[in-house]
Order: sequence, then C-alpha cells, then structure tokens
Amino acid sequence: NAGVMQNPRHLVRRRGQEARLRCSPMKGHSHVYWYRQLPEEGLKFMVYLQKENIIDESGMPKERFSAEFPKEGPSILRIQQVVRGDSAAYFCASSSKRQGTTLANTGELFFGEGSRLTVL
Amino acid sequence: AQKVTQAQTEISVVEKEDVTLDCVYETRDTTYYLFWYKQPPSGELVFLIRRNSFDEQNEISGRYSWNFQKSTSSFNFTITASQVVDSAVYFCALIPPGANNLFFGTGTRLTVIP
Repeated sequence: NAGVMQNPRHLVRRRGQEARLRCSPMKGHSHVYWYRQLPEEGLKFMVYLQKENIIDESGMPKERFSAEFPKEGPSILRIQQVVRGDSAAYFCASSSKRQGTTLANTGELFFGEGSRLTVL
Repeated sequence: AQKVTQAQTEISVVEKEDVTLDCVYETRDTTYYLFWYKQPPSGELVFLIRRNSFDEQNEISGRYSWNFQKSTSSFNFTITASQVVDSAVYFCALIPPGANNLFFGTGTRLTVIP
C-alpha cells in the first residue's frame, strides 16, 4: 500500500481558510476513495471517484467540501472555510476495480498514510 | 443499515500473551464481506484479512487467527504470543454487496508491553 501517496501529511489551517489534500493512487488504479477519521473514531466514507467522475458522494458534507479526480494529476479533496470540526485525518484509498465487479468482490483497497488536518 | 461495533476501546497485554479483539456487526444483508485492518503508529492502514459471509471457516495466518461466527454476528481476531510490533489500532469493517465503501468500527487500540 506504499503506492498510494497523500500530501501533505500534516496541514494546519486557521478557521475560514481553505484546505486542499492531494492523493495519487497506486500505479494502474483508476478508482479513488476518500475517508475521514475523526479523533478516537473509525473511518467514515466520504466520496468515491473515477477519473473525471464522482461515482458516490453520499458521505460528503453538503457544504464546503468538494472532491475531484481529473484526467491528469492527483485526486483533490477541497475544504473551504474550514472550521475546528474539520480537524481530522483524511485517508485516500485506491483500487483497480474492474468494470462489472464490486469493491466487495475484489477487496483490494489500498490506503495511503493519511493527511492530518488541524484547524486552529 | 450497517454497523460495526468494537466494544474494546483499549487493551494492554504483556509481550507473549495472547489477545483477542472483538468485532460484532449488524447488517440486514445475507451476503457481505468482513475485513480487519491494522493502523500502526505511523498512521497508514494495513489490510489484514477479508472474509466472505458464506465462509465460516476459521483462518490462521502465522500468529494471527480469525473466528467468524455468523450466528452471533461476530468476527473476532486473536493474536498469539503478542509482540511489541503488534501495538496498533485495529479496525474491523464490513461491506455489503454492491457497495462502494467500507463501514468501519471505532477501532481497538492494542498496546503490547515489553
């Protein structure tokens, strides 16, 4: 799982600023998932993207949060006007899920080391 | 709705002791997959095992073993002869069929004391 690269590893922002978290999936993977881990909690699904498409954003907060996975370059999770409650670890995962299969069938989900956002 | 409960928030054991981490899940689906992940102090998530709900055979991998009991909706994880390097947070997770995301428990922090 060392192939999923996230940066920055640590990010400090003041309330009202913007946070941008980047994720480069493993080589050959075209499916990216973002999860959020609040302090002392498990990971919660946020969004699932393929190249240039958002497939499932059922876990994304309705406001201030957005995600993209452009044709070229990393996936980006963007948080506008951050608040203290946004302080968390944000994990990216990637898979090479083939069309017609599901994540459950393959179970091949590789996580990055996470980006830890602290909002002052 | 899916739910994964890891009632043990923190466990401490002395090196070489055996330890079992509990995982209880809730789902209305008859088929599903269960996972265990390890999160060492460095922060990344390391995949340990995936288990199909149809397969209730216990599994052993070195010092690790898993006990899946569908009747009690449990998928417990045992580490035999624990080592300091086993110190980590361990997460149990579930994914129903056709889903795109894992449902995680809140994790159990294991500390192995030398």
